[in-house]
Amino acid sequence: QSVLTQPPSVSGAPGQRVTISCTGSSSNIGAGYDVHWYQQLPGTAPKVLIYGNSNRPSGVPDRFSGSKSGTSASLAITGLQAEDEGDYYCQSYDSSLSGDWVFGGGTKLTVL
Amino acid sequence: QVQLQESGPGLVKPSETLSLTCTVSGYSISSGYYWGWIRQPPGEGLEWIGSIYHSGSTYYNPSLKSRVTISVDTSMNQFSLKLRSVTAADSAVYYCARVGTNYYFDYWGLGTPVTVSS
Repeated sequence: QSVLTQPPSVSGAPGQRVTISCTGSSSNIGAGYDVHWYQQLPGTAPKVLIYGNSNRPSGVPDRFSGSKSGTSASLAITGLQAEDEGDYYCQSYDSSLSGDWVFGGGTKLTVL
Repeated sequence: QVQLQESGPGLVKPSETLSLTCTVSGYSISSGYYWGWIRQPPGEGLEWIGSIYHSGSTYYNPSLKSRVTISVDTSMNQFSLKLRSVTAADSAVYYCARVGTNYYFDYWGLGTPVTVSS
């Protein structure tokens, strides 16, 4: 049971827009800690996609965007491409006994 | 460019100690930042194991705290993970990573698979 809750899977056709939610609580996202998003393509290490709720590292296309509100955050992907297929994880910081750095359970994105 | 490389045995016997080292290049650990270990069991999600500050302060996942030790060797520009009394449930790909500002993992190693089996 992950501290941050994500849907197990989402899917969309090429060119469409999909969103992935990340729900936390008052000890992590709701406490004001930033949310970060990682992309893990098959057989590779995770790569940061969004940091600090809505910031993209250099090299990440602007098709990827992040937002945060209250105890939740979202990752939006527009203009879906086949190479976007993989797993996506949210991550934040938690001030309770759940641990310090916490991850969501991950969401598998399938491009139809 | 910051690069991290995990190393260590790929096979560990049950009840023994898993030991991994992360060698950092392109940045001096002693200059700052937290450094962390994350694992991913086969077919599962990411689990934070623990983090260490360059000064040696450590932070562990409460679920693993009783079995984990993370240490840093600034002279070798490395940090290490020891996980005691392992079982099959500890079989996973183990990643080392740097913790950037805002407490996110900005640089990752490629990961090293570890299997716990007799």
